Amino acid sequence: GAGVSQSPSNKVTEKGKDVELRCDPISGHTALYWYRQSLGQGLEFLIYFQGNSAPDKSGLPSDRFSAERTGGSVSTLTIQRTQQEDSAVYLCASSYSGGVRETQYFGPGTRLLVL
Amino acid sequence: SQQGEEDPQALSIQEGENATMNCSYKTSINNLQWYRQNSGRGLVHLILIRSNEREKHSGRLRVTLDTSKKSSSLLITASRAADTASYFCATPDAYSGAGSYQLTFGKGTKLSVIP
Repeated sequence: GAGVSQSPSNKVTEKGKDVELRCDPISGHTALYWYRQSLGQGLEFLIYFQGNSAPDKSGLPSDRFSAERTGGSVSTLTIQRTQQEDSAVYLCASSYSGGVRETQYFGPGTRLLVL
Repeated sequence: SQQGEEDPQALSIQEGENATMNCSYKTSINNLQWYRQNSGRGLVHLILIRSNEREKHSGRLRVTLDTSKKSSSLLITASRAADTASYFCATPDAYSGAGSYQLTFGKGTKLSVIP
């Protein structure tokens, strides 16, 4: 079946503008994760959703970042008042139920550039 | 917090040679996973090794885990140009709430296989 998809593939925006990044997880996966990969920083966890439970937002770097997951499927990561340091590749992943032994399947990512 | 640390940071070999990458981690783990990333985009899951396993094979990949030394190695045998990518080890960190696990990644080893 289809893998995790993300849109847009690339986004260029001006400092101070808001951006929305979209993630479509694998159908039937209840766990959804957002990660960020900055140049030289490696991958860092941002937020995860598990079914109808409250999301774990512990990785969000500031209150300018928020995410929602509608109907337990599609997720949107929103960055308000973007800053140049927000430039990174934003990766979404999903897994069947979020268990510790489960494989997380990653999307191709959205490359965000803030000018 | 950084969990996995890969070594070396970069590796260049000739096609047909074997490539070995190492990963060290800090805390107790349930499992350790290796991922591959091409051109800074989506991550592809390669292999998962559980804490009670010492070695695991998948095609040309061989992973070892030494929990006493908190280290793992990934061996790619008979390398091909198509193996050129960045390789990351990752361990799941528990979220204390709903029981899902985000991955903590090392900074990766950049492998170049020269034809």
